[in-house]
Amino acid sequence: DTEVTQTPKHLVMGMTNKKSLKCEQHMGHRAMYWYKQKAKKPPELMFVYSYEKLSINESVPSRFSPECPNSSLLNLHLHALQPEDSALYLCASSQATGGFGEKLFFGSGTQLSVL
Amino acid sequence: GEDVEQSLFLSVREGDSSVINCTYTDSSSTYLYWYKQEPGAGLQLLTYIFSNMDMKQDQRLTVLLNKKDKHLSLRIADTQTGDSAIYFCATLWDYKLSFGAGTTVTVRA
Repeated sequence: DTEVTQTPKHLVMGMTNKKSLKCEQHMGHRAMYWYKQKAKKPPELMFVYSYEKLSINESVPSRFSPECPNSSLLNLHLHALQPEDSALYLCASSQATGGFGEKLFFGSGTQLSVL
Repeated sequence: GEDVEQSLFLSVREGDSSVINCTYTDSSSTYLYWYKQEPGAGLQLLTYIFSNMDMKQDQRLTVLLNKKDKHLSLRIADTQTGDSAIYFCATLWDYKLSFGAGTTVTVRA
């Protein structure tokens, strides 16, 4: 099983809403990632969790709040987003071999629209 | 951070070979990767190469690495319509993948 599952696939929210994106993997990976991808652009790293601890935050605004409840799950809590936050949000996981030689497996993403 | 550059577009006839090129700046990356993204989908890890290798072949895919010139290429033999997608090369350092802009490959009949 090399699958990373993301829910929901599509999400429309207003600027005052609170919503959460979910990601799950059962490959025994101990590193999990959130990426943001705008149309026609490469993905941009947002957060990295290693062994359930936040290890990298790429200066992401606080309206995005990640959470890693256990080694299989990763959430991204959204609050007071702006229209420019509309994008495809991708989750990924890897074995956590020390940050080198990692092979990231991506989910199919959540397409987020902020109105 | 790492700079990774790719040409943006490639059009190829079905059955021909496709070659996608990539250059990078940081020679300390130990692995280099090729990802494929189809419309509306996530990224699929196609193949990767360790930095002490020159070539890796995996079915229709051949990866060539020239460390001296910091040049990476992906060759797809017998290109099919299902190969139409965006292809990203990427390097990795300390959990951070640096992607190129992506090459959009269009396969024409």
